[in-house]
Amino acid sequence: EDKVVQSPLSLVVHEGDTVTLNCSYEVTNFRSLLWYKQEKKAPTFLFMLTSSGIEKKSGRLSSILDKKELFSILNITATQTGDSAIYLCAGRGSARQLTFGSGTQLTVLP
Amino acid sequence: DTGVSQDPRHKITKRGQNVTFRCDPISEHNRLYWYRQTLGQGPEFLTYFQNEAQLEKSRLLSDRFSAERPKGSFSTLEIQRTEQGDSAMYLCASSLESGLSYEQYFGPGTRLTVT
Repeated sequence: EDKVVQSPLSLVVHEGDTVTLNCSYEVTNFRSLLWYKQEKKAPTFLFMLTSSGIEKKSGRLSSILDKKELFSILNITATQTGDSAIYLCAGRGSARQLTFGSGTQLTVLP
Repeated sequence: DTGVSQDPRHKITKRGQNVTFRCDPISEHNRLYWYRQTLGQGPEFLTYFQNEAQLEKSRLLSDRFSAERPKGSFSTLEIQRTEQGDSAMYLCASSLESGLSYEQYFGPGTRLTVT
């Protein structure tokens, strides 16, 4: 059975801090790892990673995948209160559906 | 709005009643997925369609659950004889399977409360 584990479960930081969120996965016939941001609504897509060592970047957010060690990290630099959300990572194997972790609840204090 | 839409957004029902939810995917997307999310957990896969064909169902999907996508466009998820354990957010997502591009885009969800 596919499994995705995220850490930490929750994180409280102050504006301007840099955070690193972790995601480890065990996914049969792994194809890709996806990151989503969820506020009080549906998850919104951030990144999809398929290759090891290639950083994806969007503004202050960046992510990288290590297929040898089976993990990914999501970095957020210069955090803002608007970054407060649950960050979900999901693995996709040969099956089409995503297997999600439980998420990391990030709270950014002003 | 060209995103995934779901209706209703909230549903309160009494135990034992049947409920039906609707999902309209992004128009050119050929795959449609249903997930269920409970508090403090990530979404859990229920089932998915490619066009009108239901290709996979999770073992979470008991006999009381049924999903359809009759014309390969919108989809419905029906829960019969609801139980309190069915209370959750039901999320629909769609994707366009095209080469390496297959990220799933989620709708706003239907929050079901069974009393």
